[in-house]
Amino acid sequence: EDQVTQSPEALRLQEGESSSLNCSYTVSGLRGLFWYRQDPGKGPEFLFTLYSAGEEKEKERLKATLTKKESFLHITAPKPEDSATYLCAVQAGANNLFFGTGTRLTVIP
Amino acid sequence: DTAVSQTPKYLVTQMGNDKSIKCEQNLGHDTMYWYKQDSKKFLKIMFSYNNKELIINETVPNRFSPKSPDKAHLNLHINSLELGDSAVYFCASSQLVGAGPQHFGDGTRLSIL
Repeated sequence: EDQVTQSPEALRLQEGESSSLNCSYTVSGLRGLFWYRQDPGKGPEFLFTLYSAGEEKEKERLKATLTKKESFLHITAPKPEDSATYLCAVQAGANNLFFGTGTRLTVIP
Repeated sequence: DTAVSQTPKYLVTQMGNDKSIKCEQNLGHDTMYWYKQDSKKFLKIMFSYNNKELIINETVPNRFSPKSPDKAHLNLHINSLELGDSAVYFCASSQLVGAGPQHFGDGTRLSIL
């Protein structure tokens, strides 16, 4: 059965304290892994797509990496405005986008 | 310009009522989706339409009926609302079926009294 697990559930960082969020997955025939950011009261906002092991994508303070079993979202020197819930989703088989339950990140000034 | 817009943003209603949520996208995408996000923030796909045709129909009660009048619109009608239907419903769209990122609206928070 397809499964996506994100850890930790919640993470509190001091401003400038770098860290990583984990997304581990077990799916048949991965077609893509997606990272989204979700702010309270808003819909998920697309960040990155990764398609194959070894691939990396970067955007400002965020860097996403992919292996055959997991993806990491590295946050370098985070700022308070990076506080949000970060969702990982995988696309396998036909059309389904299967989401994890997210990591709630809080960056304290 | 809002890319994927949903109305209403909030919906508070009684058990047993029928309600609809509307979704429109101006991205020119061919595929649209409905997701349900529960109280634990878990997002689960309900339906997917490609160019007005139903592609995915997950295990959803038949009280939920999507309708796509054209490829830019996907509405969700819910009959005989139950307490367990309380959730946030998100509409999304993507350029391709089964590939590429999906772009989400800001959700409709449905509360059943």
